[in-house]
Amino acid sequence: EDQVTQSPEALRLQEGESSSLNCSYTVSGLRGLFWYRQDPGKGPEFLFTLYSAGEEKEKERLKATLTKKESFLHITAPKPEDSATYLCAVERGQAGTALIFGKGTTLSVSS
Amino acid sequence: GAVVSQHPSRVICKSGTSVKIECRSLDFQATTMFWYRQFPKQSLMLMATSNEGSKATYEQGVEKDKFLINHASLTLSTLTVTSAHPEDSSFYICSGGGGAASGYTFGSGTRLTVV
Repeated sequence: EDQVTQSPEALRLQEGESSSLNCSYTVSGLRGLFWYRQDPGKGPEFLFTLYSAGEEKEKERLKATLTKKESFLHITAPKPEDSATYLCAVERGQAGTALIFGKGTTLSVSS
Repeated sequence: GAVVSQHPSRVICKSGTSVKIECRSLDFQATTMFWYRQFPKQSLMLMATSNEGSKATYEQGVEKDKFLINHASLTLSTLTVTSAHPEDSSFYICSGGGGAASGYTFGSGTRLTVV
């Protein structure tokens, strides 16, 4: 059964304090691993798609990496506006079908 | 990129009544849309896959007679929660469009509270 597990559940950082979020996955043939940002009361906002081990993608202070068993979302010198819940997901079944999500990591960055 | 508009953003209804949630694709034609439900501190869970012009496919454990899905056009999918009960209170989100490379697009979500 495809499964996505994220850790930690919550993370509190000081502004400028870099850290990483973890997403471990179990799927029968990875087609794509996704990172989304979700603000309270909003739908998820797309950040990255990773396809193969060794792949890395960056966007501002965020960098996502992928291995055969897990993905990391590195946050460098975070700012308070980076506070949100970060969701990891994998495609289920054939490409273009639904996503399986982890429970997310809620990040709080204080100034 | 693909834009999905979802309404209403919040709704409060009395137990036993029905509520309709709309999900519109604004700049693309959506042959398929997905409906998710999210409880507090839980992951988004797929409820059903909505297919234009045909019956929706429901996930195991989701009551098809309670959560009615209609996808009569390429730009509109609706979810109707019938005879709502307090345990149906949740955050409902639709998704469609885009793709793996650009990311699947989500609506802004609907917070349903049944009192």
